[in-house]
Amino acid sequence: SQQGEEDPQALSIQEGENATMNCSYKTSINNLQWYRQNSGRGLVHLILIRSNEREKHSGRLRVTLDTSKKSSSLLITASRAADTASYFCATDRSSNTGKLIFGQGTTLQVKP
Amino acid sequence: DAGVIQSPRHEVTEMGQEVTLRCKPISGHDYLFWYRQTMMRGLELLIYFNNNVPIDDSGMPEDRFSAKMPNASFSTLKIQPSEPRDSAVYFCASSPGLDNEQFFGPGTRLTVL
Repeated sequence: SQQGEEDPQALSIQEGENATMNCSYKTSINNLQWYRQNSGRGLVHLILIRSNEREKHSGRLRVTLDTSKKSSSLLITASRAADTASYFCATDRSSNTGKLIFGQGTTLQVKP
Repeated sequence: DAGVIQSPRHEVTEMGQEVTLRCKPISGHDYLFWYRQTMMRGLELLIYFNNNVPIDDSGMPEDRFSAKMPNASFSTLKIQPSEPRDSAVYFCASSPGLDNEQFFGPGTRLTVL
């Protein structure tokens, strides 16, 4: 079964707007990671947030983690057409096996 | 570094044929992962290796699937015999450690007719 579930499944915005994607998970985690996948390509790591962290930033990306609610959000500010991709959250369970469980992803379309 | 290298990029085969997918991880990475991605099931972990040793193969769908890592720079995923339901994109990823990001290859798109 999927550990992470992204919401929404699809998101369409205009260039310059902010995009927020959410991820919920079921079990305790060691860390949570966000990846991007452009159509027909492999996944690219965006950001890793550990279970004892609440917020991380990387450029235009902001990730929050709420372990009490078992949820995370990815915010992309000032979106660009090049941000059009699918975004996945992946969790590494607290047993620290290194096994990442991926959600089904959010498809983001940024219109120029 | 060239990143994770996978070959072939595309494979079309007929049901019953043997398929071998290849992966070269990033040098120095101790962990190698094989994933399968389909529209229906999303991205699934099939198996992963640590220092060339298979650690968890619980995601391998059935005995038709096997994976090997004979050395630190090469791994194969074999399907024998292949079936149409094996059609998917297969990704290889490597990581320097358990608690690190994973670096994905470009994937192999497999079509079994």
